[in-house]
Amino acid sequence: DIVMTQSPGSLAVSLGERATINCKSSQSVLSSSTNKNYLAWYQHKPGQPPKLLIYWASNRESGVPDRFSGSGSGTDFTLTISSLQAEDVAVYYCQHYYTTPQTFGQGTKLEIK
Amino acid sequence: EVQLVESGGGLVQPGGSLRLSCAASGFTFSNYWMRWVRQAPGKGLEWLANIKQDGSEKNYVDSVKGRFTISRDNAQNSLYLQMNSLRAEDTAIYYCASDSYSLGAYWGQGTLVTVSS
Repeated sequence: DIVMTQSPGSLAVSLGERATINCKSSQSVLSSSTNKNYLAWYQHKPGQPPKLLIYWASNRESGVPDRFSGSGSGTDFTLTISSLQAEDVAVYYCQHYYTTPQTFGQGTKLEIK
Repeated sequence: EVQLVESGGGLVQPGGSLRLSCAASGFTFSNYWMRWVRQAPGKGLEWLANIKQDGSEKNYVDSVKGRFTISRDNAQNSLYLQMNSLRAEDTAIYYCASDSYSLGAYWGQGTLVTVSS
């Protein structure tokens, strides 16, 4: 199984500042046939279902603010929130969908400093 | 409006069984792979299983293989998870979700399963 490792486990950032979350997969999730990275990012708030933010490592889901961006390829990926807003407080997960079982990172808890 | 509504959760004794249902509306259910994902108390997200559009392919995580069965009824726009031999560690919120990333990512609100004597 592919193991997804996120860092840091928790993060406190001031309003308006940049937040960066990293995700590393134990093997590449880049398909040579499609040239796509099978990597998604989710935002999860208490009492709500997870919300897809980014898919194919860098494609923003419809309706997601453009302060959210994804980058990386192969085994190393990053979710960046360019200017943190109060409503961004949540736990963020990366997840691969390259093979089954799909696996999630352990989550990064983002708070306001 | 797209909706996924789970039902069937509740309290069950260890070794018991439950069948979760997920009713889909607002999108063409039969066009989507579907999956079940859970979150145990204080833990992260865990993918459990997925099923192809026509039900011909199913995949499971090892921790539920042989105990859980995913199925669907496209005529009823419904997804199911039959859970047998339940253990305390199966206590979690269970979400049904589309297994799609560019066609639309849909999630239900979740249903709580508690395994306890």
